[in-house]
Amino acid sequence: EVQLVESGGGLVKPGGSLRLSCAASGFTFSSYSMNWVRQAPGKGLEWVSSISSSSSYIYYADSVKGRFTISRDNAKNSLYLQMNSLRAEDTAVYYCAREVPNYGFFDYWGQGTLVTVSS
Amino acid sequence: ETTLTQSPAFMSATPGDKVNISCKASQDIDDDMNWYQQKPGEAAIFIIQEATTLVPGIPPRFSGSGYGTDFTLTINNIESEDAAYYFCLQHDNFPRTFGQGTKVEIK
Repeated sequence: EVQLVESGGGLVKPGGSLRLSCAASGFTFSSYSMNWVRQAPGKGLEWVSSISSSSSYIYYADSVKGRFTISRDNAKNSLYLQMNSLRAEDTAVYYCAREVPNYGFFDYWGQGTLVTVSS
Repeated sequence: ETTLTQSPAFMSATPGDKVNISCKASQDIDDDMNWYQQKPGEAAIFIIQEATTLVPGIPPRFSGSGYGTDFTLTINNIESEDAAYYFCLQHDNFPRTFGQGTKVEIK
């Protein structure tokens, strides 16, 4: 059974940093591109970042470029999101999602982890 | 960037009703549209891929239609367990974009 479990969320002050993790199981993690998606309170979903299976290709939404860094450790079946210079508008539930090879849509999602940026 | 306009934002249905949720794309995205169901505190579930294909394991009362810019998720004979938040996702171009979501309540 495919499982994605996010962790690392919490309360952080503006300008602070946080590192999110996504632990994957039930599939060959190293064969899949992975994504981070977020949902701010009362808002729709927003794609944040993606990373290819071997980390060769990395993309970011303009809203986080230069502040967030996506990475993965295939040996540990884990995906990460390092978030620096956090702003109030980064407050959201952050989800990791698996991307279907050669198609580009997401077939499995985690339950999410809440990040709150507030003084 | 492709904007997805999803409607309605909220709907209330009675068990047995037929429910339609719309997702309109700001540009032609062929059939690169997908639908998901999410319940509070749970992971989103993939229900329709590429506009019309039912994901294996999803009940056949769910169906998808559309091509180009207009897409619809239909739930026939809606059941109480279908109370959830539904959203669409396009994978035609970058960045991937989502509809604003529809909360479906069952009376």
